[in-house]
Amino acid sequence: AQKVTQAQTEISVVEKEDVTLDCVYETRDTTYYLFWYKQPPSGELVFLIRRNSFDEQNEISGRYSWNFQKSTSSFNFTITASQVVDSAVYFCALSEAGAMNTGFQKLVFGTGTRLLVSP
Amino acid sequence: DGGITQSPKYLFRKEGQNVTLSCEQNLNHDAMYWYRQDPGQGLRLIYYSQIVNDFQKGDIAEGYSVSREKKESFPLTVTSAQKNPTAFYLCASSRLAGVDEQFFGPGTRLTVL
Repeated sequence: AQKVTQAQTEISVVEKEDVTLDCVYETRDTTYYLFWYKQPPSGELVFLIRRNSFDEQNEISGRYSWNFQKSTSSFNFTITASQVVDSAVYFCALSEAGAMNTGFQKLVFGTGTRLLVSP
Repeated sequence: DGGITQSPKYLFRKEGQNVTLSCEQNLNHDAMYWYRQDPGQGLRLIYYSQIVNDFQKGDIAEGYSVSREKKESFPLTVTSAQKNPTAFYLCASSRLAGVDEQFFGPGTRLTVL
C-alpha cells in the first residue's frame, strides 16, 4: 500500500535560514507521481510541484528546490533564505499511476510539517 | 478568474442535523474530490467523482453523501450518521483523476454544537 511519511512535525527557523522538509514514500509501483502542497494559515492548499517517477532531476524554482532520490524513496523540499511568508504547513503526497485500465488512483498525503519562520 | 469556491467558510450545526457544503469550480475539470482534515493530520479522502453523474467512495465515506449533477458542482452532505463531523473540509478538482495536480478551494470549517 502507498504511504507517505513526513517525520518532522514542526520546524522553527529564523528568517534567512535554509530549511529542508523531509518526505519518504512507499509504493510498489514503478510509475507514480509525487507532489508538494503548501497550506498557509488561511487553510487553502496551494500546489507547489509535481514530479513523475521517471524524472529524477532536481528542480529549482526561485528559493524552492526539490531533491528526488528513488534509491532512498525520498522527495525532500528545501527553502533557501526562508521568509516569514513561508510559515505554513507543507504536505507531501503520492499518487500511483497504475495500469492503464484501472481508473482512479488516489492521492495519499503525509501528515504535514509545520514550518514556523520568525523574524 | 478560474478557481474553486466553497461555501460557507464557517458552519455550525446542531447534533442530529444534516448540512450541505457547497463546492463549485470553473476550471472545466472533470474530476472533483472532497477531503476531511483533522488537527495535526493529513487529508483523508471522503468521496471523489471522475465525471458528471458518477462518484465513488473514498476512505472515510460513512456518514457523508454527494452528488455530481453538473460538471462544475460537487456538494457534500454531512448527515446525522457521521459520528464526529467537526473538521475542516476541503474540496478539490483536477483535469484528470489521480495523476494531475489537484487544485483546492478555501475550505469549510464545520463545528457541531
